[in-house]
Amino acid sequence: DVKVTQSSRYLVKRTGEKVFLECVQDMDHENMFWYRQDPGLGLRLIYFSYDVKMKEKGDIPEGYSVSREKKERFSLILESASTNQTSMYLCASTGNSPLHFGNGTRLTVT
Amino acid sequence: GQNIDQPTEMTATEGAIVQINCTYQTSGFNGLFWYQQHAGEAPTFLSYNVLDGLEEKGRFSSFLSRSKGYSYLLLKELQMKDSASYLCAPRSGYALNFGKGTSLLVTP
Repeated sequence: DVKVTQSSRYLVKRTGEKVFLECVQDMDHENMFWYRQDPGLGLRLIYFSYDVKMKEKGDIPEGYSVSREKKERFSLILESASTNQTSMYLCASTGNSPLHFGNGTRLTVT
Repeated sequence: GQNIDQPTEMTATEGAIVQINCTYQTSGFNGLFWYQQHAGEAPTFLSYNVLDGLEEKGRFSSFLSRSKGYSYLLLKELQMKDSASYLCAPRSGYALNFGKGTSLLVTP
């Protein structure tokens, strides 16, 4: 069974802090994704990566960056957190299969 | 980006059949997924269509018409546990973009 693990289930950070959201998958998948989910807006793609050190912007990359130094790990970075980045963040991965999601990190920026 | 349109909410009765429609406009179309998401949980995979036609999987079926940019998810013999959001997700290249989801409420 594919396992996508997000390091934190809940996170509270202050405005201006640098925030790291970590995601690890154990199925040797090439492709990894970061989404955020907000009521009424659905799931929106922030960034994705199709290989180590490769990254592509999704629909809403502003205010975010990513890092993929190893195949199994994909990190989302908020350089300077803002209150409008309060959201549920979902990581996902896929090889040649359906997307598998982690359980999500609910981030609150105060 | 892509334009993905699905109804916001639907209500149906336990034991009934419900059809959730999705229309999309996308370049480089590479298949369409349906996901189910219960409140507070991650989305889980339901079905995948890459060719036109109907794919049946137990109580759930999914249909695709690529020329019309149209798909639907059919849920039969509804159960209370089917109350959830259903997400339509056409794929373009590597990326999967999701619709805003249809919140289905199954009533007794």
